[in-house]
Amino acid sequence: GAVVSQHPSWVICKSGTSVKIECRSLDFQATTMFWYRQFPKQSLMLMATSNEGSKATYEQGVEKDKFLINHASLTLSTLTVTSAHPEDSSFYICSAQLGANNSPLHFGNGTRLTVT
Amino acid sequence: GENVEQHPSTLSVQEGDSAVIKCTYSDSASNYFPWYKQELGKGPQLIIDIRSNVGEKKDQRIAVTLNKTAKHFSLHITETQPEDSAVYFCAASKTSGTYKYIFGTGTRLKVLA
Repeated sequence: GAVVSQHPSWVICKSGTSVKIECRSLDFQATTMFWYRQFPKQSLMLMATSNEGSKATYEQGVEKDKFLINHASLTLSTLTVTSAHPEDSSFYICSAQLGANNSPLHFGNGTRLTVT
Repeated sequence: GENVEQHPSTLSVQEGDSAVIKCTYSDSASNYFPWYKQELGKGPQLIIDIRSNVGEKKDQRIAVTLNKTAKHFSLHITETQPEDSAVYFCAASKTSGTYKYIFGTGTRLKVLA
């Protein structure tokens, strides 16, 4: 149980274009999903907390107009990287929480974004 | 601010030996401590977790210990196998206040056959 599916697993796009990444909880409902960014050989950096039916909460230093998050249903959250630049190239990972606060986080398999 | 330190950053062991990874957290209100294994190009997978009302938890070859007084928790892997090679992350979380996870910096474990 507790499967989180993330798509696409990798994407290459040109500078200036937008890319949408989907995160789905397959066998449970997730009122809260989290989006992380991971640089090579580094830890997970929380970008934003996505709550179903409300605006996402962004971490300090993360541009909300650049990284648009939508959590329209209890099983789907999307991250759109708008007007992508090469410095946005990274590994983006979503996670969903099964249950209330302080319950386990389950991660998707990540999306490798390369902006050329 | 809240912080989780993780050591060592890299660890090489011979197959069959044990591996220990240690984490220290700063927020004494933390009460949930999961461990994640991340293989190359994949997302982290939860392998074991422990709550603050327990001092030790074991699942086959994997165990986690928690010392609340010292604010330390450790991951122990016995009889290591090549497939245990991965990056391991510890994390700390709490029920009250800001409950987001604070992750350690990761340990790259290499099990030599």
